[in-house]
Amino acid sequence: QKEVEQNSGPLSVPEGAIASLNCTYSDRGSQSFFWYRQYSGKSPELIMFIYSNGDKEDGRFTAQLNKASQYVSLLIRDSQPSDSATYLCAVSRGDDKIIFGKGTRLHILP
Amino acid sequence: GEEVAQTPKHLVRGEGQKAKLYCAPIKGHSYVFWYQQVLKNEFKFLISFQNENVFDETGMPKERFSAKCLPNSPCSLEIQATKLEDSAVYFCASSQSREETQYFGPGTRLLVL
Repeated sequence: QKEVEQNSGPLSVPEGAIASLNCTYSDRGSQSFFWYRQYSGKSPELIMFIYSNGDKEDGRFTAQLNKASQYVSLLIRDSQPSDSATYLCAVSRGDDKIIFGKGTRLHILP
Repeated sequence: GEEVAQTPKHLVRGEGQKAKLYCAPIKGHSYVFWYQQVLKNEFKFLISFQNENVFDETGMPKERFSAKCLPNSPCSLEIQATKLEDSAVYFCASSQSREETQYFGPGTRLLVL
């Protein structure tokens, strides 16, 4: 079982709709959870991080964490064409190493 | 600086040649991380440093890869005798502490022919 799993996509979402990205992880000792956005040919940039169970909202983005079920998700409301990118889920035990998923390609349809 | 800087942007090497990549972390950040990103966005952790000390090198291929972070110098990642499968984008990231968010540099795209 891979440590961090994401559906590779592409996930196609109409402009203005909600995009829902999911990620599961295998290590129950994981403490920190990150969502990075990576445009093609660019470096990843941090979108959200979450440490506690529940929801965390920042603008159009909401991260959801469920440690019991070992999943973390990212919701993007009012999707824009500029949201089209690969979204990487990353998980850390709280030490230095971050384990990345393979990423989900999101395509917002104009 | 305010951003992680990586040089060069692109590097082309013939198989068997040496490749050396550089990373300057954000000023004030004590931790430096190197990642390798191959096709399909798969990130692989290579090594991390706390200041000039190796913190975790569990991801480093021991035989041909080495890395250093010396005081007052950019950190470096060196690949001796490159192989075709070393072709990837190598990202450096830095953070203030172990628990803090890692911020990524622009990456160095290595192509081994």
